[in-house]
Amino acid sequence: AQSVTQLDSQVPVFEEAPVELRCNYSSSVSVYLFWYVQYPNQGLQLLLKYLSGSTLVKGINGFEAEFNKSQTSFHLRKPSVHISDTAEYFCAVTPSNDYKLSFGAGTTVTVRA
Amino acid sequence: DTAVSQTPKYLVTQMGNDKSIKCEQNLGHDTMYWYKQDSKKFLKIMFSYNNKELIINETVPNRFSPKSPDKAHLNLHINSLELGDSAVYFCASSQGPTGSNEQYFGPGTRLTVT
Repeated sequence: AQSVTQLDSQVPVFEEAPVELRCNYSSSVSVYLFWYVQYPNQGLQLLLKYLSGSTLVKGINGFEAEFNKSQTSFHLRKPSVHISDTAEYFCAVTPSNDYKLSFGAGTTVTVRA
Repeated sequence: DTAVSQTPKYLVTQMGNDKSIKCEQNLGHDTMYWYKQDSKKFLKIMFSYNNKELIINETVPNRFSPKSPDKAHLNLHINSLELGDSAVYFCASSQGPTGSNEQYFGPGTRLTVT
């Protein structure tokens, strides 16, 4: 079975500062990795995904993530955040031989002016 | 046009009642899901249907019964509601039941059991 650990439950950050959200996973098989964002009182929206190929993945709204197989990590980064990036961020994983998505516990990002 | 829609958005009811949540997707997807998000925002898969067939059935009390009348709809019926059922329930859909497919989520239904 696979599992996902998001290492930070809350990340406060000032506007225009960089942010990194950490995600580690465990799985006995190769995996697909995803980052989803949930804005207040809304459903989840895909930010980016890693399926194969280049380990640096670019997503929407200026986010990117790097897959590191040796460290079993998939950290999310943005070089300069906006107030509108205040949201809950979820890392998720599914084994490549399955379709059940497992989510991490989420990281609350609060951007302050 | 809303891709994945859920009704109702809010549902307040008393313990012991039976209630249903409806989900519809207009993306032409084959696979639909129900997730439960608890008060700590933890998301857990409950059920998944592919072409109207149940393919994921997690450890969920049998008071919860999903029904898929067609590929575009997946409803969730809950019998004998309990306080612990209070949560936000999300419907999602994807093109097919493979892990590489992005899942598209509805806006959620906030269920409060009193």
